[in-house]
Amino acid sequence: KAGVTQTPRYLIKTRGQQVTLSCSPISGHRSVSWYQQTPGQGLQFLFEYFSETQRNKGNFPGRFSGRQFSNSRSEMNVSTLELGDSALYLCASSLAGYLTDTQYFGPGTRLTVL
Amino acid sequence: AQSVAQPEDQVNVAEGNPLTVKCTYSVSGNPYLFWYVQYPNRGLQFLLKYITGDNLVKGSYGFEAEFNKSQTSFHLKKPSALVSDSALYFCAVIMDTGRRALTFGSGTRLQVQP
Repeated sequence: KAGVTQTPRYLIKTRGQQVTLSCSPISGHRSVSWYQQTPGQGLQFLFEYFSETQRNKGNFPGRFSGRQFSNSRSEMNVSTLELGDSALYLCASSLAGYLTDTQYFGPGTRLTVL
Repeated sequence: AQSVAQPEDQVNVAEGNPLTVKCTYSVSGNPYLFWYVQYPNRGLQFLLKYITGDNLVKGSYGFEAEFNKSQTSFHLKKPSALVSDSALYFCAVIMDTGRRALTFGSGTRLQVQP
């Protein structure tokens, strides 16, 4: 089975712009979660989607949003980019999103905001 | 609330020697515990998890971890380290009554010297 894929792998944007990141889960997985990884804050949970519905949300401002499509693919959008949004954004998928399910991570999208 | 602590930023070990990467957790319910490894410019790779049952969990690449409820610890171990084990290791927890979001420790860099 193919793993979790994320596109693009690298992005460079300027402050004030917006960006959309894409994640394709493992085939058959219906839950997709997004995490932000930075050297200062470590790995932080953004949100989780299941069956096109956001089930959980982390403590991030409303500039961070996401959605999930009927084929379980997910997108994450960040509007009005700030320098502090520079990070590695990781997507993870799991079978049904149960607490005991293993989350499998993609390679991440490295976003640099100038 | 739930939290994870990895008290060591870096662990150095000689190839062939046993290794231990420490993790302690704090949750108000029953914990589900995970270990992931991250290689440079890569996403997180799942190593093992503890859900319930046997306190000694065996995972990928010869790694194992022991769940100790009284000490609230979940240390990662390997009997004989390889140079290729050098990477960043993350412990994570989900609480059985919590939201579907992994809470990660700050990570421990493992350096295995030849």
